[in-house]
Amino acid sequence: NAGVMQNPRHLVRRRGQEARLRCSPMKGHSHVYWYRQLPEEGLKFMVYLQKENIIDESGMPKERFSAEFPKEGPSILRIQQVVRGDSAAYFCASSPLSSSGRATEQYFGPGTRLTVT
Amino acid sequence: SQELEQSPQSLIVQEGKNLTINCTSSKTLYGLYWYKQKYGEGLIFLMMLQKGGEEKSHEKITAKLDEKKQQSSLHITASQPSHAGIYLCGAVRIQGAQKLVFGQGTRLTINP
Repeated sequence: NAGVMQNPRHLVRRRGQEARLRCSPMKGHSHVYWYRQLPEEGLKFMVYLQKENIIDESGMPKERFSAEFPKEGPSILRIQQVVRGDSAAYFCASSPLSSSGRATEQYFGPGTRLTVT
Repeated sequence: SQELEQSPQSLIVQEGKNLTINCTSSKTLYGLYWYKQKYGEGLIFLMMLQKGGEEKSHEKITAKLDEKKQQSSLHITASQPSHAGIYLCGAVRIQGAQKLVFGQGTRLTINP
């Protein structure tokens, strides 16, 4: 049973380029979350998605960042016109559907380490 | 200020000793998660607690959520080198929400 998969594991971009990070949730999971871990800082929530829906994007920067989770295929976190401050580890997590509305277990992927030069 | 406070920030123990890591919130927690992270790697899910007073164990690791649901402790018995890493607590702080807020982590070193 494969876990949460993320690719690429490492990504180097020059300032001004676009970065695309992919996340495939665990089999049977319909919820995807993106978190960012900046150097020497804690893990911060960015966005929560279900298939074809953004549920909570309260942690997403207002500009340059977008996320999607299409009906088919992985979830994508897209960063346009990257700047040095975007250098961080980006983690994806997934969880199963909660029938009761209560919190469910979240499993994390290995992360994508973005370096902006 | 951190929404979740972990203590201690770092811990060095002799192999075979017991240890405890704490995670404290100023508000009620609706789900408390413990993860372990090796440097440069992803987070490994350890346990999730939801009910006040709940206690779960896996191998030599035990986690508890206090009755008021504002503090959790992670206890490791007879520590081993494989326990070394960064332990993170994450929490759901809004009822019905799914996003997690995290503590700053506790770096655990096990000396042989």
